[in-house]
Amino acid sequence: NAGVTQTPKFQVLKTGQSMTLQCAQDMNHEYMSWYRQDPGMGLRLIHYSVGAGITDQGEVPNGYNVSRSTTEDFPLRLLSAAPSQTSVYFCASSYSGLIEKHEQYFGPGTRLTVT
Amino acid sequence: QQQVKQSPQSLIVQKGGISIINCAYENTAFDYFPWYQQFPGKGPALLIAIRPDVSEKKEGRFTISFNKSAKQFSLHIMDSQPGDSATYFCAGFNTGGFKTIFGAGTRLFVKA
Repeated sequence: NAGVTQTPKFQVLKTGQSMTLQCAQDMNHEYMSWYRQDPGMGLRLIHYSVGAGITDQGEVPNGYNVSRSTTEDFPLRLLSAAPSQTSVYFCASSYSGLIEKHEQYFGPGTRLTVT
Repeated sequence: QQQVKQSPQSLIVQKGGISIINCAYENTAFDYFPWYQQFPGKGPALLIAIRPDVSEKKEGRFTISFNKSAKQFSLHIMDSQPGDSATYFCAGFNTGGFKTIFGAGTRLFVKA
């Protein structure tokens, strides 16, 4: 199993550009989520999905879109990049069933810089 | 509004000492409290977790103490080792809302 994979690892964007961060998992997990990590702010939930076709907003959804057309993939789209979106982005997946099994498996992250 | 408050921001401990990280939560709908460990350049990984109907959970050198009435919980790392140097995040999870809310993180450095 590859686990949770994210591409790209690094990305530099100019203000106003759009891009999609890719996330895929091969563990047949129902639950997937996107977080951003900023110094002193911890991990903040952007969007999450409890299954194919179902998405919902997290703590900081503005400026980001998601879709979940398959169980495996959960891309994050930046519509019009802003310097405030400079961050490290993590995708995670888990079972959404038994609470004792709600261990989130994180990808290696994408470091995004917006100039 | 920070639903999970974590302290301290950073911590330096001598090898063999006890590392203690504290968290407080506001949302009483949380029903699962995990701790994640993150090494530089990596994604976080689950370390240990507890449910609010348990006051303590121990796994090896790692122990969670949970005080439901005070809405506080803490991570104790016994016999801390240089390999424990990492960032630790506490979190609260709400089964009904499917949201995990993380604390701001604690950078632990264990001196050899």
